[in-house]
Amino acid sequence: GAVVSQHPSRVICKSGTSVKIECRSLDFQATTMFWYRQFPKQSLMLMATSNEGSKATYEQGVEKDKFLINHASLTLSTLTVTSAHPEDSSFYICSARVSGEAFFGQGTRLTVV
Amino acid sequence: GENVEQHPSTLSVQEGDSAVIKCTYSDSASNYFPWYKQELGKRPQLIIDIRSNVGEKKDQRIAVTLNKTAKHFSLHITETQPEDSAVYFCAAISSGGYQKVTFGIGTKLQVIP
Repeated sequence: GAVVSQHPSRVICKSGTSVKIECRSLDFQATTMFWYRQFPKQSLMLMATSNEGSKATYEQGVEKDKFLINHASLTLSTLTVTSAHPEDSSFYICSARVSGEAFFGQGTRLTVV
Repeated sequence: GENVEQHPSTLSVQEGDSAVIKCTYSDSASNYFPWYKQELGKRPQLIIDIRSNVGEKKDQRIAVTLNKTAKHFSLHITETQPEDSAVYFCAAISSGGYQKVTFGIGTKLQVIP
C-alpha cells in the first residue's frame, strides 16, 4: 500500500509557541491530504482538507488562523499549531487517499505544557 | 453532511467467540465503507472495506455486510483472539467533493483470553 509519513511522532512545547507537523506521501502524489485530531478515547475528527496549490478547507469550528495548513507540493502538507495552549494537546493524524483507500501517517502526539 | 453512528462503544468477548460492530450512515451518496483497527497510540490500519455495489465481503476471520436500503453496515470478527483487542472505527465516504472520510465514534474491543 501507499506510505504516508508524518513527523514528528511526539512533541512537547510550551504554551504560546508554535509547532509544525509534516505529512509526506512517500511513493505517490497527493493533491489532497486530510488532517484529523483525536482526543483520548474519541474518534478521529476531520479538521481540514489540504489542497495542493490552494487554500485549505476547514471544518466548522476549526480556527484557520490557529491551525495553519500549507500544501506547497504534491508530496508535502504541513500543519502548524500557532500559539499553542494546553487544550490543543491531542493526537494529530494526516491522511491521503489512493484509489479510494485512505492511508494514515503515524500520528503526532502533541503535548502543550 | 455525513453522519456515522457506531455501536457498541465497548465490547468484551471471550477468546474464540464472535464480535459484531454495527454502523449506520446518513448520506445516501456514500459508496465506500472501510473499517479501521487502531491500537493505542498508533495510526488506524485498514482491515476490510466494502463498496456499495456489494452486499458482503469476507477476508479470513473478518467479514463486512452492507445494507444500502437501511444504510447500515456491520463488521463481524469470528474466532476472536487477544490480538484482536483494539479500537475499531467504521467510516463512510461519499463519491463527491473531496471524498471526506467520516468516522464512527469507535468501538473498543477487548478479547478476554
